[in-house]
Amino acid sequence: NAGVTQTPKFRVLKTGQSMTLLCAQDMNHEYMYWYRQDPGMGLRLIHYSVGEGTTAKGEVPDGYNVSRLKKQNFLLGLESAAPSQTSVYFCASKGTSGPYEQYFGPGTRLTVT
Amino acid sequence: EDQVTQSPEALRLQEGESSSLNCSYTVSGLRGLFWYRQDPGKGPEFLFTLYSAGEEKEKERLKATLTKKESFLHITAPKPEDSATYLCAVQARSSNTGKLIFGQGTTLQVKP
Repeated sequence: NAGVTQTPKFRVLKTGQSMTLLCAQDMNHEYMYWYRQDPGMGLRLIHYSVGEGTTAKGEVPDGYNVSRLKKQNFLLGLESAAPSQTSVYFCASKGTSGPYEQYFGPGTRLTVT
Repeated sequence: EDQVTQSPEALRLQEGESSSLNCSYTVSGLRGLFWYRQDPGKGPEFLFTLYSAGEEKEKERLKATLTKKESFLHITAPKPEDSATYLCAVQARSSNTGKLIFGQGTTLQVKP
């Protein structure tokens, strides 16, 4: 099992450009999450999904959109990138609604100039 | 407001020098408390889940404990390979979506 994978690993965008980050998991998990990690801020939840076809806003959703068309994939989109979106993005997944651990991907380092 | 605070922010130890990392939390009913390890340039790696006060879990040189207000990650006789950032997170009882609230982490450096 590959677990949680993320594509791409690194990306540089210019202000105003758009891009999509892909997260894939092969553990048949229902729940998937997108976080951003910034120095001194910890991990902050952007959006999450509790199942195929469903999405919901997290703590810092502005400027991002998500889609969960297939159970194994969770996409994070930036329609018009801003320098404030320079960050490291992590995807995570979890099997059920219980107090069980989330499994994280390796991250995508995004720089917006 | 649910909140997690970790201390210290950074910790330097000599190899073999035992110590503890603290995670204080305020949550409206605890469903679970999680410890993760994060190496530079990588995603967080799950270590432990604690569910109720008094619970303890161990893995190699690490032992996690839980009270009603805080959790400790005890590191016994650490080695340089234990150097990493350790993250604490909580899931509130009111959350049925698995959302976690993370602390800012403690960066541990163990010198040989």
